[in-house]
Amino acid sequence: DQQVKQNSPSLSVQEGRISILNCDYTNSMFDYFLWYKKYPAEGPTFLISISSIKDKNEDGRFTVFLNKSAKHLSLHIVPSQPGDSAVYFCAASARGGGADGLTFGKGTHLIIQP
Amino acid sequence: AAGVIQSPRHLIKEKRETATLKCYPIPRHDTVYWYQQGPGQDPQFLISFYEKMQSDKGSIPDRFSAQQFSDYHSELNMSSLELGDSALYFCASSLGRGTDTQYFGPGTRLTVL
Repeated sequence: DQQVKQNSPSLSVQEGRISILNCDYTNSMFDYFLWYKKYPAEGPTFLISISSIKDKNEDGRFTVFLNKSAKHLSLHIVPSQPGDSAVYFCAASARGGGADGLTFGKGTHLIIQP
Repeated sequence: AAGVIQSPRHLIKEKRETATLKCYPIPRHDTVYWYQQGPGQDPQFLISFYEKMQSDKGSIPDRFSAQQFSDYHSELNMSSLELGDSALYFCASSLGRGTDTQYFGPGTRLTVL
């Protein structure tokens, strides 16, 4: 049972436009959410995170929005750049429940077109 | 900035052999996590250690064991290897347990023939 779902396996966006990657979760115990970027043959690189007590966190071109009632979060990248082309993983943890491991979605392959 | 180091980066083993993967966390990080990513899959949490003690356990097979040493590096020992163990194995580290972001290493690609 996939507790973190990324329903778009791939997304193509024009350079300079906004990229919006979506993630849904089912476990109401999750209280901390992260986005990772991954290139082939490399480990996931941390991008941005958000605690369940917030609904928005911003870091440069990256903004994460959290809608707890809908169990939905999204990552906005503005403006999109060619170097943003990678697989993006949404991850969640239940830190308040004492769980250490992150639960990942299956990833969205973002392709930035020139 | 120093990152998580994993060795070896690639490993080829035969069925029923054993393998040992090593992870060196970011300096001053005291928590280590192990993940397995099969082909086309998302990373799956295996096990974690905080201050040299096992702190959480995920979907780690009984054939696998791990430990964290006094210098905080960790080793994942895998015995009686099966074809299905072929995967990318990631180690991550954090400062504090469950309190901070996990930073991932480059992974070890294990191929079981």
